[in-house]
Amino acid sequence: EADIYQTPRYLVIGTGKKITLECSQTMGHDKMYWYQQDPGMELHLIHYSYGVNSTEKGDLSSESTVSRIRTEHFPLTLESARPSHTSQYLCASSGEAPVGEQYFGPGTRLTVT
Amino acid sequence: AQTVTQSQPEMSVQEAETVTLSCTYDTSESDYYLFWYKQPPSRQMILVIRQEAYKQQNATENRFSVNFQKAAKSFSLKISDSQLGDAAMYFCALSRISNDMRFGAGTRLTVKP
Repeated sequence: EADIYQTPRYLVIGTGKKITLECSQTMGHDKMYWYQQDPGMELHLIHYSYGVNSTEKGDLSSESTVSRIRTEHFPLTLESARPSHTSQYLCASSGEAPVGEQYFGPGTRLTVT
Repeated sequence: AQTVTQSQPEMSVQEAETVTLSCTYDTSESDYYLFWYKQPPSRQMILVIRQEAYKQQNATENRFSVNFQKAAKSFSLKISDSQLGDAAMYFCALSRISNDMRFGAGTRLTVKP
């Protein structure tokens, strides 16, 4: 089983609040990713990182930001949560090419009221 | 453009029967990997099976096997002796040396008792 963790698992928060979703992995992977997924729907890549101090935006535009100060830690922050941010957020990490297999965390289900 | 297409949004199968999920992809690279991921309801995304493009032999993992047709860029997943625990969203994915993983839109599999 992959060693990638996300906290909190569930979060209900009011509009305008600042939130940080945590993601950590113990596999020493350089590459990490954040996906947004509505329940039972496709994955949308919103951020990725190829290593410390490297972050990029993904295919889906997002108001969130990320940081990568340590290899094992890749938090996602929403400065001012809105109901449109209600979704599931999945964190993943991957080893080196060419395989590039991604390992997923359990996800954070966010509800903004 | 690199794309992964799953043309079946939903599939159903009777318990103990066999079902095949379809996936087609497009890439200009000759070296790549293909994956099937399983996401059970409210549970973690896990890897089901992996196929290296340079291998002609189809990958098999217990009741799960693939039919990899490289020329046709087709990568279907066959689940034999379906069990209730196989009910999930299944995502086909493509990983290439030069870029990260691309996921299909997913197929929701229902298993009927």
